[in-house]
Amino acid sequence: GENVEQHPSTLSVQEGDSAVIKCTYSDSASNYFPWYKQELGKRPQLIIDIRSNVGEKKDQRIAVTLNKTAKHFSLHITETQPEDSAVYFCAANGQGGKLIFGQGTELSVKP
Amino acid sequence: EAGVAQSPRYKIIEKRQSVAFWCNPISGHATLYWYQQILGQGPKLLIQFQNNGVVDDSQLPKDRFSAERLKGVDSTLKIQPAKLEDSAVYLCASSSGTANQPQHFGDGTRLSIL
Repeated sequence: GENVEQHPSTLSVQEGDSAVIKCTYSDSASNYFPWYKQELGKRPQLIIDIRSNVGEKKDQRIAVTLNKTAKHFSLHITETQPEDSAVYFCAANGQGGKLIFGQGTELSVKP
Repeated sequence: EAGVAQSPRYKIIEKRQSVAFWCNPISGHATLYWYQQILGQGPKLLIQFQNNGVVDDSQLPKDRFSAERLKGVDSTLKIQPAKLEDSAVYLCASSSGTANQPQHFGDGTRLSIL
């Protein structure tokens, strides 16, 4: 079935360090991979997405890489700041366009 | 542009009672999704509408959950009767309807079953 695995479940970094979150998907037909940031008690917010026709996409301190052969995609946050602390979810599109979400990574950035 | 609106924000009911949630998507968005997010997990799709038709309801517990989007805009999700395991945040999302467009989420309704 359609499945997305996300690691690690928790990640603690010092302010200014980089953070990397990795996801693996099962459906070879998936071609759209968004990342969402969810602060406590708030809505998931789209921070970056990538489509299968590119291998990397950057937006300021955030980048996402995609390896279609290995069915892996990763989120990279550089120069982390305390306000980056949140739960991050990766997702892959499934049949009909629905999103299959990973289990989430709780990122803590310590000042 | 106004975002996805949901109400109520919070709801507390006893098991076996019924409850309904409402969602108003972003104006012009043809596709509407209802997700269930259990504490500590990622959102899981319950039902997807394209205009007023159902695209995917394979993970909707149809013996107790129902949803409608009669005029292709607002949507309601109902649970009757509620079970303890239905305690979760119910998120509504919408997208423009064309393939692989970003989904934008509402603030959700946090449901607690006593």
